[in-house]
Amino acid sequence: EVQLVQSGGGLVQAGGSLRLSCAASGFTFSSYWMNWVRQAPGKGLEWVATIKGDGSEKHHVDSVKGRFTISRDNAKNSLYLQMNSLRADDTAVYFCARGFTFWGQGTLVTVSS
Amino acid sequence: QAVVTQEPSLTVSPGGTVTLTCGSSTGGVTSDHFPYWFQQKPGQAPRTLIYDTNNKESWTPARFSGSLLGGKAALTLSGAQPEDEAEYYCLLSYSGFRVFGGGTKLTVL
Repeated sequence: EVQLVQSGGGLVQAGGSLRLSCAASGFTFSSYWMNWVRQAPGKGLEWVATIKGDGSEKHHVDSVKGRFTISRDNAKNSLYLQMNSLRADDTAVYFCARGFTFWGQGTLVTVSS
Repeated sequence: QAVVTQEPSLTVSPGGTVTLTCGSSTGGVTSDHFPYWFQQKPGQAPRTLIYDTNNKESWTPARFSGSLLGGKAALTLSGAQPEDEAEYYCLLSYSGFRVFGGGTKLTVL
């Protein structure tokens, strides 16, 4: 059974940093592109970042470039999102996803100004 | 980056048929945009219904289908059920970058 278990969300002040984690199981992690997607309260979905199975290719949405970094550790079957210089408009539920087929449970990041 | 457009809201009668569309600010949507369709209900993670234009996940009810229609990606629901009331999002790919549409709130009434 494919499982994606997220951790690392919480409350942080504007300008601060947070690292989200997504622990994968039930599939060959290194074979799949992984994504981060976020959803601000009461708003739609926004794709944040994607990373290839071997980590050799990454893309980030313009609004987080230079502040957020997607990474993975295939030995630990884990996906990460390092978020720096956080802003109030980064407040959202963040989801990890295998491709876009299987999704984590989501974790809330709240940035206080 | 591109803007992906969806109808903000649609209403369908139980048992009726409705088509949701997904357009791109860069021009016509093609299979090279690898269109996805997701269903999301309040408090839940999105659930994939359609990938790569018209492919269904194993859990996708048969009443949902995907296509390209008039330069847009389309999701057709034939025989709407009360449980289909939800928010629906499309997703398009642009050479490694992805963009979600703003979502369509579908009411079954």
